[in-house]
Amino acid sequence: NAGVTQTPKFQVLKTGQSMTLQCAQDMNHNSMYWYRQDPGMGLRLIYYSASEGTTDKGEVPNGYNVSRLNKREFSLRLESAAPSQTSVYFCATYTGDGSNQPQHFGDGTRLSIL
Amino acid sequence: GNSVTQMEGPVTLSEEAFLTINCTYTATGYPSLFWYVQYPGEGLQLLLKATKADDKGSNKGFEATYRKETTSFHLEKGSVQVSDSAVYFCALSGASGGSYIPTFGRGTSLIVHP
Repeated sequence: NAGVTQTPKFQVLKTGQSMTLQCAQDMNHNSMYWYRQDPGMGLRLIYYSASEGTTDKGEVPNGYNVSRLNKREFSLRLESAAPSQTSVYFCATYTGDGSNQPQHFGDGTRLSIL
Repeated sequence: GNSVTQMEGPVTLSEEAFLTINCTYTATGYPSLFWYVQYPGEGLQLLLKATKADDKGSNKGFEATYRKETTSFHLEKGSVQVSDSAVYFCALSGASGGSYIPTFGRGTSLIVHP
């Protein structure tokens, strides 16, 4: 049971390059999220998808785009990477059924932008 | 809006010491409360939760009690081990426009020395 799978695990980019971070889940959860984690800042929500076919901005959406490809997959795209986007990115899921269940997290993508 | 405040770290302890990590919250309604743990190089995983006032969540020797009168959910463990070294996040459930958007604290790093 893989849970939440993120690819790649590590990536180094040059300023201005683009890339897509992939997230896939096998838990049949409705809601999916992208966070970034920076030292001293905790987790900050970038974008989320409450259900297949919908996406919404979180706290720090600038410089990012997302696609909810289907119920399983939620990708995060950096169109023109900037050094300020150096961070660890986490994908998370939630059942979406309104219950008191926790989120489930992937192991993260560590992204460095030079 | 909702907010979660955690004590700043790092918290440094010797093995077998008593641990307390403070967490207080501000929220509307009656949220569920969570503690997540993040081991080095991994994503967050649920440690314990409580869904209503006076509930006690417990797991792996850790405990936390949902105190509505003091709006607190402090994490405790009677005797820590080196393997407990990790970052701990307090979180509360929440809703925004019909979507599930939890609120996280900034995390508290715990370092346990042999």
